Amino acid sequence: QQQVKQSPQSLIVQKGGISIINCAYENTAFDYFPWYQQFPGKGPALLIAIRPDVSEKKEGRFTISFNKSAKQFSLHIMDSQPGDSATYFCAASMGTSGSRLTFGEGTQLTVNP
Amino acid sequence: GAVVSQHPSRVICKSGTSVKIECRSLDFQATTMFWYRQFPKQSLMLMATSNEGSKATYEQGVEKDKFLINHASLTLSTLTVTSAHPEDSSFYICSAPTSGGRNEQFFGPGTRLTVL
Repeated sequence: QQQVKQSPQSLIVQKGGISIINCAYENTAFDYFPWYQQFPGKGPALLIAIRPDVSEKKEGRFTISFNKSAKQFSLHIMDSQPGDSATYFCAASMGTSGSRLTFGEGTQLTVNP
Repeated sequence: GAVVSQHPSRVICKSGTSVKIECRSLDFQATTMFWYRQFPKQSLMLMATSNEGSKATYEQGVEKDKFLINHASLTLSTLTVTSAHPEDSSFYICSAPTSGGRNEQFFGPGTRLTVL
């Protein structure tokens, strides 16, 4: 029940296209769903996060869509750029601040020029 | 966002030696910090939860005597890999959550450990 499943494992998109990464979870107690972006040799950076009381959150070119009944959430990157090429991780946690994160397996995104 | 630093960024050591990695929250206080290890092209694996002023909580399968954690202040946690061996070579990353109920966790830049 602690797992977060992420797909696809890798994704290749043309510049200007839309990148979509999906995650599914089992534990209905999860109440915080962040996405992290990681470049090679660097630590993950918080990109955007959502809570289950909203179905969508948008920040710039990045949008999270959240489907509570299906226990799924996804990251959409609009107008994908070569600089977006990185590994993306979804995660989930529950409870108050400081709760441990359960990570998805990661998606390696390549945006071709 | 909040800033978390790690030191050193890279370390190469001989088998059998001990290595200490520091994790600092630079602009906020963190009563809890997390330590992860990450192998190439894999996800982050939580090793332990570091608690200020008390013992760390280790994940199943992580040897507490090999990976010593000390959280001596509200801004500093250290991970010491004792008697390191080549299989301990990995990317070690710490994270710290901010307070205030927002659940946001910020990660350090990571430490690349290579054991010869």
